[in-house]
Amino acid sequence: DIQMTQSPSSMSVSLGDTVTITCRASQDVGIYVNWFQQKPGKSPRRMIYRATNLADGVPSRFSGSRSGSDYSLTISSLESEDVADYHCLQYDEYPYTFGAGTKLELK
Amino acid sequence: EVKLVESGGGLLKPGGSLKLSCVASGFTFSNYWMHWVRQAPGKGLEWIGEIEYDGTETNYAPSIKDRFTISRDNAKNTLYLQMSSVRSEDTATYFCTTGGPGRFAYWGQGTLVTVSS
Repeated sequence: DIQMTQSPSSMSVSLGDTVTITCRASQDVGIYVNWFQQKPGKSPRRMIYRATNLADGVPSRFSGSRSGSDYSLTISSLESEDVADYHCLQYDEYPYTFGAGTKLELK
Repeated sequence: EVKLVESGGGLLKPGGSLKLSCVASGFTFSNYWMHWVRQAPGKGLEWIGEIEYDGTETNYAPSIKDRFTISRDNAKNTLYLQMSSVRSEDTATYFCTTGGPGRFAYWGQGTLVTVSS
């Protein structure tokens, strides 16, 4: 199975920060990486699809990038509503696999 | 508006069976692959499988293969997950989500399955 190694597992952040979360794929997964935001007790929300595409309705302060096997989600100028868990997913090869998640917490 | 509503969760004993449903509305259900994803309490997300538009093809995660079966009834706009031989590690909230072009774009609210003796 493809491993998506997500880092950091948690992060203490302040409003206005630029935050970057990374997933490293153990094999080539091309552009087939999504990023999801999940708030407590809620369903995941797709933020980025195909590594770099902003999903509908997602604020432009979110962006996705790829460098080789490293995929990153960046939040520019963090707002309070962005404090949540974030998950990456590869869907290039079965079984599709998620990263372990990153929890953002306010300082 | 796209809506996915899961149901059927509950408490069951190890070795037992349960069938989850996911009713879809707001889009042409029969045009979409569909997926199930689960999340154990306090843990990350786990993809467990998918089904093709007409149900002829399915793909599963190794952790549930040969125990869980995904099916669908396009006439009823409903996706199913038949769970059998359940184990404590199957305790999770189970989500249905869309495939195809809108892959993982839409999610249900989830239904909780608890496996305990």
